[in-house]
Amino acid sequence: KQEVTQIPAALSVPEGENLVLNCSFTDSAIYNLQWFRQDPGKGLTSLLLIQSSQREQTSGRLNASLDKSSGRSTLYIAASQPGDSATYLCATPGMAGGTSYGKLTFGQGTILTVHP
Amino acid sequence: EAQVTQNPRYLITVTGKKLTVTCSQNMNHEYMSWYRQDPGLGLRQIYYSMNVEVTDKGDVPEGYKVSRKEKRNFPLILESPSPNQTSLYFCASSFPRGQNYTFGSGTRLTVV
Repeated sequence: KQEVTQIPAALSVPEGENLVLNCSFTDSAIYNLQWFRQDPGKGLTSLLLIQSSQREQTSGRLNASLDKSSGRSTLYIAASQPGDSATYLCATPGMAGGTSYGKLTFGQGTILTVHP
Repeated sequence: EAQVTQNPRYLITVTGKKLTVTCSQNMNHEYMSWYRQDPGLGLRQIYYSMNVEVTDKGDVPEGYKVSRKEKRNFPLILESPSPNQTSLYFCASSFPRGQNYTFGSGTRLTVV
């Protein structure tokens, strides 16, 4: 059974810092890994999707990497801003027979606070 | 705009009063699912649907029902809500299955 862990559980940084959020998974045979952002009481917004064959994906100030052999993904946020404050979740869909059966397994999330 | 729309956003109800949370997507996605989010437990899948008339249980299906009569709609039904179903609910869709999920804005349900 896939288990996903995110470290740290919470992070508080001053504006302008570069930071790294970590996501680890127990079964390296993943289909893909997706990073989401969740604002308090709101829905999940997809940030980046990394396919199992890819090493990284970039969108603006965000860069996500994937190392299947070590069971890790990292989300790098450059030049953090107060508007980046949110909970960041990673998730990976279950696999069977070489394809995905759809159910996402989520980490518990990292609560990020960027203060001015 | 491509989106998943849930209604209502907030709902307070009493124990035992049947309710339905609607979910609709405009992306022609085949795969749809429902999750609940609880403090300390994270997001857990309730039910999912591979396509029209094809549904199956997720990890926490007890007390819930779903139906998929049309591709775009996937309502979540609580026949007799109980206080332990107080939670934040999310509907999600993807195409193909397992790729690029889009989530709704959530429904915060309180059962008293």
